Parts: sequence; structure tokens; C-alpha cells
Amino acid sequence: GDSVTQMEGPVTLSEEAFLTINCTYTATGYPSLFWYVQYPGEGLQLLLKATKADDKGSNKGFEATYRKETTSFHLEKGSVQVSDSAVYFCARPIYNQGGKLIFGQGTELSVKP
Amino acid sequence: DSGVTQTPKHLITATGQRVTLRCSPRSGDLSVYWYQQSLDQGLQFLIQYYNGEERAKGNILERFSAQQFPDLHSELNLSSLELGDSALYFCASSAPDWTSTGELFFGEGSRLTVL
Repeated sequence: GDSVTQMEGPVTLSEEAFLTINCTYTATGYPSLFWYVQYPGEGLQLLLKATKADDKGSNKGFEATYRKETTSFHLEKGSVQVSDSAVYFCARPIYNQGGKLIFGQGTELSVKP
Repeated sequence: DSGVTQTPKHLITATGQRVTLRCSPRSGDLSVYWYQQSLDQGLQFLIQYYNGEERAKGNILERFSAQQFPDLHSELNLSSLELGDSALYFCASSAPDWTSTGELFFGEGSRLTVL
């Protein structure tokens, strides 16, 4: 069935390190793909999105490219900051039966000074 | 601030009890979604309402029920609580064009602890 799988965490990095969080999906077509972020004590919020294959979403220094060949949407940032410490969720919509978002299991990122 | 309000923020109760979680969506949003977040299950979709009607159902237990009222606020009722029901329950709302924007707006969640 339709699913989203992301790399397990937690991920611990030093400030200014390079970040990659892997996300792969299964789908019969080419759904839009999203990354959501959950800062400590808060709800989820949309970080970036890509609506079709080969699109690149970007926001706050984060990027992700929709790659249909590898059914992936990996999140990257060239230089992380302590303020990026959060849980990151990859997500895709399921449009039948009213529509909903399904999420990967979440990857906790901790950035140390 | 997402504009979605959830109450209570924290709730501690005993096994076998019943609780009600409340959600007020963003102004103008007709859809409300409920998600359960736990350490072992991750973020699980429970149920969706659109303008008062149930639209989609996910992994929601029979002990749980929800409804959306004419003023569009929603309530999630959890009964015969078990230890495993301890989790963070999120409500989200969306605009009608959410399938193109992908954006659900989440509340801060209600943390339920069952002792």
C-alpha cells in the first residue's frame, strides 16, 4: 500500500555540519511530497514541499528534491544550527476517502554547539 | 501560532476512564483531522471531518469516537482508557485547497497520560 519511510533517528550533529535525512515513498502515481517539522513542545508545521517529479522544495536553508527514479525525497541542509533541533517528518497525501496526510515515523535531530 | 487551538494541553487520568479532547480549527477551515503520536507507533491518522461530516477513518479504535459540531469545533472522545492510550493527540485543520498546498495546520496537541 501507499507508505512513507524515513531513516531512523535520533541524529546528533555538531553545529555547521551537513544534514541528510532520507525519505522514500511508495505510490502508484506521483503524489506531492512534504517535509514537516516539529519543534519541542509544538505542533507540526510545513517546512517545504514538491508537487511534481524533479521539483526541488526549499525553505530556511533546507532542500529536498523529488526523485521519481528512486522514489525518494531526502531532506538536506548544508550547515545546521542549534535552532534546527527538532523532529522532521516526511509526508505524502492520500487522496481517496476524503484525503489525509500520512507521515513517516519521524527523525529526531539534535544539533550540539 | 497555527490558529488551531486544542484543550486541554495536558491530561492525567486512570485506566477505565473517559476523556474528551477539544479542537477549534483555524477560522474558515472546514476540515478537521485527528492524529495520535506515540513513541512506538509514530504519527497515526485517526479520523477526518469536513463541515460536520465524517470523511475518512484511519486507525481509530472502537473505544474512540469523534464529532464535528455546527460551529466547526471538534471533539475526540476516548473511553475505557488503557495504559497504551497514553500519547500526544493532535488536531489539524485545512483549507479546501489543501491537496495543492499540502498544508495542514496543527495545534500544539493534548498530552494524555493514563495511569
